[in-house]
Amino acid sequence: GAVVSQHPSWVICKSGTSVKIECRSLDFQATTMFWYRQFPKQSLMLMATSNEGSKATYEQGVEKDKFLINHASLTLSTLTVTSAHPEDSSFYICSARDGRNQPQHFGDGTRLSIL
Amino acid sequence: GESVGLHLPTLSVQEGDNSIINCAYSNSASDYFIWYKQESGKGPQFIIDIRSNMDKRQGQRVTVLLNKTVKHLSLQIAATQPGDSAVYFCAEGRGYGGSQGNLIFGKGTKLSVKP
Repeated sequence: GAVVSQHPSWVICKSGTSVKIECRSLDFQATTMFWYRQFPKQSLMLMATSNEGSKATYEQGVEKDKFLINHASLTLSTLTVTSAHPEDSSFYICSARDGRNQPQHFGDGTRLSIL
Repeated sequence: GESVGLHLPTLSVQEGDNSIINCAYSNSASDYFIWYKQESGKGPQFIIDIRSNMDKRQGQRVTVLLNKTVKHLSLQIAATQPGDSAVYFCAEGRGYGGSQGNLIFGKGTKLSVKP
């Protein structure tokens, strides 16, 4: 149980393109979903927290107009990287949990490469 | 400042031996701790968690120990196998029962198992 699916797993696109990443909870309803960014050989850095039906809460230093998050249902959250540039290249990982006292379960990440 | 850190960035063990991965945290108000395993190119996989009202919790081949006096967390893996090779992250939850339930991740320890 507690499977989180992330799509796509790998994206390569040109600078200036907007990229949408989907995060789905397959066998549970996710009241809260989280988006992280991870650079090579580094830890996970929380970007934002989203609760279904409400606006996402962004961590300090994360541009909300650049990283658009939508959590329209209890099983789907999307992260859109708008007008992506090479410095946005990274490994983006989502997680979800189905209750306040439950652990976060992670997707397998999306490797984003901006040329 | 507040942080969750690891004592050993790399750990190499012989197959069949026990592994111990350590983690220090600095916020005495943290009430939830969790260990994740991350294999190359994948998202973190939940291993085991523990709440601050406990000092030990056991799973299948894994044990987490929490010492609140010295703010120390450890993950013990019994009879380490090649498939245990990965990067292990500890994470600290602050106010985990609350609406956000954010996790602060440590830097990670790479475990290498020698056959």
